[in-house]
Amino acid sequence: NAGVTQTPKFQVLKTGQSMTLQCAQDMNHEYMSWYRQDPGMGLRLIHYSVGAGITDQGEVPNGYNVSRSTTEDFPLRLLSAAPSQTSVYFCASSPTSGGATALVKNIQYFGAGTRLSVL
Amino acid sequence: DAKTTQPPSMDCAEGRAANLPCNHSTISGNEYVYWYRQIHSQGPQYIIHGLKNNETNEMASLIITEDRKSSTLILPHATLRDTAVYYCIVRSSTGTASKLTFGTGTRLQVTL
Repeated sequence: NAGVTQTPKFQVLKTGQSMTLQCAQDMNHEYMSWYRQDPGMGLRLIHYSVGAGITDQGEVPNGYNVSRSTTEDFPLRLLSAAPSQTSVYFCASSPTSGGATALVKNIQYFGAGTRLSVL
Repeated sequence: DAKTTQPPSMDCAEGRAANLPCNHSTISGNEYVYWYRQIHSQGPQYIIHGLKNNETNEMASLIITEDRKSSTLILPHATLRDTAVYYCIVRSSTGTASKLTFGTGTRLQVTL
């Protein structure tokens, strides 16, 4: 059981380049989300998904796109990278299927993170 | 979700109990208290949660005051590996999404 897997672990981009951060989970969790964390700050929610085919914006969605074609995968796309997107990105998942209560849904499992630098 | 207030940093000697406070004076009846921690450069890790009764698991204990306006996370025998940022989060037990709002937490430094 690998949990939540993020790739790549590190990435350097030039301004204007695009890329996709991958996130996969093998726990059959319906809820998945992306956060970014800047130095000295807490985590901020970018986008989230409550199930395959359903996505919604979080606190800081500008400059990012997401899609959820399968339960397992939730990729985050940077359309045109900017230096302001230099950050550590975390993917998380939690169980919401099978009638799981919000009590359980608030227990989230995080990946190890992707460290992105945009030059 | 209710707002939480935590001290920015704390120190604890290895082997001693670490008591991390959290104020959540505006908590409502259906809101639970969750604790997570983030060890340097890693993703956050769930620790424990509770409603009004004290809770204990293999990682920590959670003490919630009778009026539920504050709580304390207790690491009974802190080790160097417990050095991390600890986040106290208050969340409703109802609703369809589970967007967690992480503040800046308490940075716990465990020393020899």
